[in-house]
Amino acid sequence: DAGVIQSPRHEVTEMGQEVTLRCKPISGHNSLFWYRQTMMRGLELLIYFNNNVPIDDSGMPEDRFSAKMPNASFSTLKIQPSEPRDSAVYFCASSTDTRRAEAFFGQGTRLTVV
Amino acid sequence: DAKTTQPPSMDCAEGRAANLPCNHSTISGNEYVYWYRQIHSQGPQYIIHGLKNNETNEMASLIITEDRKSSTLILPHATLRDTAVYYCIVRGANQGGKLIFGQGTELSVKP
Repeated sequence: DAGVIQSPRHEVTEMGQEVTLRCKPISGHNSLFWYRQTMMRGLELLIYFNNNVPIDDSGMPEDRFSAKMPNASFSTLKIQPSEPRDSAVYFCASSTDTRRAEAFFGQGTRLTVV
Repeated sequence: DAKTTQPPSMDCAEGRAANLPCNHSTISGNEYVYWYRQIHSQGPQYIIHGLKNNETNEMASLIITEDRKSSTLILPHATLRDTAVYYCIVRGANQGGKLIFGQGTELSVKP
């Protein structure tokens, strides 16, 4: 398996534009996590899905952020409209649905909003 | 979910054992202790996890105290490539088992 695949790897956009980040989890994994990492706040869990259903979105910073998981092999994180403070590295991770399962992370998307 | 406390930074000489401590005094009986590391500019990487027994794999050993209130990750022969931020996480018992990262320990392995 190729691991968790995120796209794009880098995104530069202007303030006010819509940004969509994509994630393909590892086949057979039924939990998916979106994280954001900044120097100031570290790694923050934004939202996680189990069997394509959002379980906990309490980390989503505000209504400008939305996440979907239309099927088991694809998820998106959308920011609309984007702001400079959204600049960060966004990671996607997946795991099987047990407390014992390790989570595998993608390489991340570095987002810069200018 | 139980919180963890780690020292912000540590140094280790190359070839020596690196012992990274973690306190998790509020851990509950069915929560696992996980360790991840993040090498600069990469996604976090799983290292090891355990419930109450000591664990060892090809990367590291995990020693959990009998009362489960603390643990130590041991890298037996640290190399320069082990320089990274190491995170100790207590994995929640909720469905899906979300991972909440703290600030971690920045380990610098020096020649």
